[in-house]
Amino acid sequence: DVKVTQSSRYLVKRTGEKVFLECVQDMDHENMFWYRQDPGLGLRLIYFSYDVKMKEKGDIPEGYSVSREKKERFSLILESASTNQTSMYLCASSPPDWDRDNEQYFGPGTRLTVT
Amino acid sequence: EDQVTQSPEALRLQEGESSSLNCSYTVSGLRGLFWYRQDPGKGPEFLFTLYSAGEEKEKERLKATLTKKESFLHITAPKPEDSATYLCAVQALSGFQKLVFGTGTRLLVSP
Repeated sequence: DVKVTQSSRYLVKRTGEKVFLECVQDMDHENMFWYRQDPGLGLRLIYFSYDVKMKEKGDIPEGYSVSREKKERFSLILESASTNQTSMYLCASSPPDWDRDNEQYFGPGTRLTVT
Repeated sequence: EDQVTQSPEALRLQEGESSSLNCSYTVSGLRGLFWYRQDPGKGPEFLFTLYSAGEEKEKERLKATLTKKESFLHITAPKPEDSATYLCAVQALSGFQKLVFGTGTRLLVSP
């Protein structure tokens, strides 16, 4: 079974702090994704990566950056946390684009509260 | 712009009362339509991928179907453990692996 783990289930940070969210997958997947999920808005893509050191902006990249130094690990960075970044953050991974069965597998999520 | 609309927003069923959830979509060339189940406070769990109109997939009490404009998730004789939010997402042919999600249907099955 695919396993995607996230470093924290719950996190409370103060406005202006730099925040790191870590995600690790154990299926040797090429692709990794960061989403945020908010009531009434569904899941929205922040950033994704299709290879080590490669990254692409999603729909809402403002205020975030990412890092992928190893294939199995994808980090989301909030450079200066703000209250409007309070949300559930979900990491996902998937096989390469050429694989027909390229469904995304999600981690358990990190509930981030910025005060 | 690719778009997914799910209905109803919430559905309450008695145990054993079958029903269907709807996912309407517009996409510039469908590569795949995905169904996920999400329990409160957890990440989405993959259920099905459908690729072309007419395709059907089943898993236990769930059956997903696909037309050119919508997908249905049929729940037959549901049990309380089927209570969850069900998410639908589409992937376009041209969109790398980007998924566009609907806002989900919250299903509550009462004993």
